[in-house]
Amino acid sequence: EDQVTQSPEALRLQEGESSSLNCSYTVSGLRGLFWYRQDPGKGPEFLFTLYSAGEEKEKERLKATLTKKESFLHITAPKPEDSATYLCAVLTGANNLFFGTGTRLTVIP
Amino acid sequence: DSGVTQTPKHLITATGQRVTLRCSPRSGDLSVYWYQQSLDQGLQFLIQYYNGEERAKGNILERFSAQQFPDLHSELNLSSLELGDSALYFCASSVGTDTDTQYFGPGTRLTVL
Repeated sequence: EDQVTQSPEALRLQEGESSSLNCSYTVSGLRGLFWYRQDPGKGPEFLFTLYSAGEEKEKERLKATLTKKESFLHITAPKPEDSATYLCAVLTGANNLFFGTGTRLTVIP
Repeated sequence: DSGVTQTPKHLITATGQRVTLRCSPRSGDLSVYWYQQSLDQGLQFLIQYYNGEERAKGNILERFSAQQFPDLHSELNLSSLELGDSALYFCASSVGTDTDTQYFGPGTRLTVL
């Protein structure tokens, strides 16, 4: 059965305190892994797509990496405006985008 | 702003009723996807249309149906509504299918009383 697990469920960081969010997956035929950011009551906002193990993508304070079993979203020197829920999604061999339940990040000034 | 629009923003209705949610994809996108997000379950894929044809189906109830029109906008119809159908409903669009990135609309919040 396809499964996506994100950890931790919630994370509180001081401003400037770097950390990583984890997305582990068990899917049949991974075709892509996506990271989204979601603010309360709003639609998910696309961040990154990763297609193969070893791939890395970077944008401002965020860096996403991918292995054969998991992906990490590294946040360097976060700011309060980085507070949001970060969602990981995998595109399966059946062409479904299967989402994890997210990590709720709070960055304290 | 992703370029995907959804109407209405909020909808309050009673059990047993029927509602229609509308989505306009980004200009040039041929695929439309519908998702349901409830507090306890996260984002659940419902259905995908590509250029007017149903392409993939997820956990969509038989009481729910969707279609994509020639102008590529899509509608999600929810009937015989139950309290448990209260959720945020998101539409997303992509250029084609498969590995193309999906861009999400702002959502419709449905409350069933």
